[in-house]
Amino acid sequence: GNSVTQMEGPVTLSEEAFLTINCTYTATGYPSLFWYVQYPGEGLQLLLKATKADDKGSNKGFEATYRKETTSFHLEKGSVQVSDSAVYFCALSETYSTLTFGKGTMLLVSP
Amino acid sequence: SQTIHQWPATLVQPVGSPLSLECTVEGTSNPNLYWYRQAAGRGLQLLFYSVGIGQISSEVPQNLSASRPQDRQFILSSKKLLLSDSGFYLCAWSEADTQYFGPGTRLTVL
Repeated sequence: GNSVTQMEGPVTLSEEAFLTINCTYTATGYPSLFWYVQYPGEGLQLLLKATKADDKGSNKGFEATYRKETTSFHLEKGSVQVSDSAVYFCALSETYSTLTFGKGTMLLVSP
Repeated sequence: SQTIHQWPATLVQPVGSPLSLECTVEGTSNPNLYWYRQAAGRGLQLLFYSVGIGQISSEVPQNLSASRPQDRQFILSSKKLLLSDSGFYLCAWSEADTQYFGPGTRLTVL
C-alpha cells in the first residue's frame, strides 16, 4: 500500500536558520502531496500542496517540490521564526481523498 | 467560506461510558467527511470516512462507530469507552483532493 516516511524529530533550530524536513513516499499512480502544520492543541492546517510532478507548492515562506524521480516532497524554509515551532505532517492523497500521513516532525525554533 | 466545527473541545469520561462527538461543516454541500484519531506522540489514524448521507466506511475495526444523519453532520460514537480510546479526535472535510480539519476534541478516558 501507499506510505509516507518523514525524518524523525525533533528538529531544533535557531531563529533565522534554514529548514529542511525530508519526506519520501511510495504510491501507485500519481497522488497529490501535502504538507500540514499542527500548532499545540490545535487541528491540522494545510500549509501547501502539489498535484503533479515538478509542481512547487509554497506558502508563508515554506516551499516543497514534487519530485517524482526521487519520490520526495521535502519541506524547506529559508529563515525560520520562533512562531514556526509546530509539528509538520507530510501526506499523500488516495481514493475518496483519504490521506496517508507521515508520523510528523516536531520543529522547535529558539530565539 | 467553509467552516468546520467540533464539540466538545475537551472531554473526560470514565471507562465503560458512552461517547458522542459531533462535527458539522458550513458553507459546502455533500462534502466527504473524515474522522481521525491522534494518540499522544503519534501520527494520525483514519477511523472513518463518508462520501454521503448514511454512507460510512470504516478503516479500523474497533469499538467506535460513525454516523452521518445529515449532509454536513458527522458523529463519532462508542457504547463503552476503553482506556485506549484516549486521544485527540479530528474531523475533516474535503474539496477535490484537499482535506480541511476542525479544531479537534481532546478525549481522556480514566
